[in-house]
Amino acid sequence: NAGVTQTPKFQVLKTGQSMTLQCAQDMNHEYMSWYRQDPGMGLRLIHYSVGAGITDQGEVPNGYNVSRSTTEDFPLRLLSAAPSQTSVYFCASSYSRVWGYTFGSGTRLTVV
Amino acid sequence: KQEVTQIPAALSVPEGENLVLNCSFTDSAIYNLQWFRQDPGKGLTSLLLIQSSQREQTSGRLNASLDKSSGRSTLYIAASQPGDSATYLCAVNIRGNYQLIWGAGTKLIIKP
Repeated sequence: NAGVTQTPKFQVLKTGQSMTLQCAQDMNHEYMSWYRQDPGMGLRLIHYSVGAGITDQGEVPNGYNVSRSTTEDFPLRLLSAAPSQTSVYFCASSYSRVWGYTFGSGTRLTVV
Repeated sequence: KQEVTQIPAALSVPEGENLVLNCSFTDSAIYNLQWFRQDPGKGLTSLLLIQSSQREQTSGRLNASLDKSSGRSTLYIAASQPGDSATYLCAVNIRGNYQLIWGAGTKLIIKP
């Protein structure tokens, strides 16, 4: 049981490049979400999913896309990276809304 | 709009002391409240989850309480150790929204 696995752990992108942050969980959790953590701003929700085939926007969705083709995977796509997207990204999952969330170890992204 | 505040922002105490970290929230319509630990450059580790119907939860030297009516939660750490040094975050799972609302965290330093 690996929990929530995020890859890569570190990434440097040039402005305008695209990339996908991977997130996988092996706990059969229906709820998955992506947060970004910025100094002085706390964690903010980017996108979330309540099950395979269902996604919705969070607080800061602009510049990001998600899809949920399987229960296990919830990738986050940066369409055209900008320096403002320099952040630490966390993926989280939960069995249901009233259960606690399990977080991955994060991806530290720098856009230059 | 739900707001979560953590006081103090930083705390430094000698090893062996018992200490209390505070978390307050403005809207009592919550599913639960979760306490996390974050080590520098690392991910988020869940410490305790308190459902809205519960008053407290315990795990080892940690005890978390919840007073929904007053919008407060406390994390009590007994017999603190240098290994407890980290940033402690509380997050509220609010009804009607899939977003966790986060406090800014308390940075705890335990001096040997």
